[in-house]
Amino acid sequence: KNEVEQSPQNLTAQEGEFITINCSYSVGISALHWLQQHPGGGIVSLFMLSSGKKKHGRLIATINIQEKHSSLHITASHPRDSAVYICAVRSQGNFNKFYFGSGTKLNVKP
Amino acid sequence: DAGVIQSPRHEVTEMGQEVTLRCKPISGHNSLFWYRQTMMRGLELLIYFNNNVPIDDSGMPEDRFSAKMPNASFSTLKIQPSEPRDSAVYFCASSFHLATQYFGPGTRLTVL
Repeated sequence: KNEVEQSPQNLTAQEGEFITINCSYSVGISALHWLQQHPGGGIVSLFMLSSGKKKHGRLIATINIQEKHSSLHITASHPRDSAVYICAVRSQGNFNKFYFGSGTKLNVKP
Repeated sequence: DAGVIQSPRHEVTEMGQEVTLRCKPISGHNSLFWYRQTMMRGLELLIYFNNNVPIDDSGMPEDRFSAKMPNASFSTLKIQPSEPRDSAVYFCASSFHLATQYFGPGTRLTVL
């Protein structure tokens, strides 16, 4: 069983649609990261959060620690949002291990 | 700052050869991460350092892989001997105290 599960694996949307990507995890965490990898291969860290909600432009990330669940929302999606979105968690405790989801491939059509 | 710098950007080598990948983290960052990405396995964390000390190397696939961080501004990932299954993109990332990670552009390794 994977410690981090993402859904959906693939997502196709029309430009302008509201998009939600989900991440569930099974370990106690210190922090959760959302990463974005563009088709060219570069990886960017979008958010790091341990509680509540963060917003950056059209992107919103939320986390519910009790339910061990996080969502990444994209409002007014645009073709340039097409990328793979990866959820990663850092576990609690001395070892601070990292676990990664398998990614959600998003394609936004014009 | 120039961001995380990795070299080389591309490496093609023959099976059995030694490969050394290099990373210069962002100045002031004290955590450094080495990742491997393949189509089959996705993004995997190989090892990370905090204050130049390896913290978790459980992702290092086998003894052929080794990583060092001799000082705060330089790290290497070495594969000896290399095998075709090591072909992947290797990313280095750095952060300040395990906070937001900044990724380098990656090294695309092909082992023939």
